[in-house]
Amino acid sequence: DQQVKQNSPSLSVQEGRISILNCDYTNSMFDYFLWYKKYPAEGPTFLISISSIKDKNEDGRFTVFLNKSAKHLSLHIVPSQPGDSAVYFCAASALKASGTYKYIFGTGTRLKVLA
Amino acid sequence: DVKVTQSSRYLVKRTGEKVFLECVQDMDHENMFWYRQDPGLGLRLIYFSYDVKMKEKGDIPEGYSVSREKKERFSLILESASTNQTSMYLCASSHGQGGSYEQYFGPGTRLTVT
Repeated sequence: DQQVKQNSPSLSVQEGRISILNCDYTNSMFDYFLWYKKYPAEGPTFLISISSIKDKNEDGRFTVFLNKSAKHLSLHIVPSQPGDSAVYFCAASALKASGTYKYIFGTGTRLKVLA
Repeated sequence: DVKVTQSSRYLVKRTGEKVFLECVQDMDHENMFWYRQDPGLGLRLIYFSYDVKMKEKGDIPEGYSVSREKKERFSLILESASTNQTSMYLCASSHGQGGSYEQYFGPGTRLTVT
């Protein structure tokens, strides 16, 4: 049961254009959503996050939008640069009955920015 | 800069061997995690630890155990390695309890069990 889904395994975008990476989730109890970027032979690195009580968070070229009614979030990268080529993981967290947090990652989307 | 290091980048072991994967973080983080990454399945949590000697099962703990004797070190143990444990293993750490805390990942260990 994949609670966090990234339905597009790959995406190609021209340099300078907008990249839009999508993520759908099924658990309405998730309270934070995070995006990570992963280059080959490296571990994922944190990019940006959003609380479930917000609908938008922006950090430079990166903006995350959250649509709670649709259980959908998206990461926008504007303008896209060749250095943005990486695998992007969507992740969600929820508080468990034990008092600790559950973290669920999506399957990732490979972004290729063409020069 | 937070640094999370893993003992090996590549490891090849035989079926039935006991395997130790070591992870060390240098930022005094309370929480440490072990994930495995498989194609089409993303990152799946095996175990995590929120304090020394404290651990909690993740989504796929079967066949694995963990040890955290010191705050900076978190070990993943495969008691009897099997071919279906061939995977990329990622260690991570984070500061504080809460869903908003970002995790810092190590570079990963690619384990092959033959």
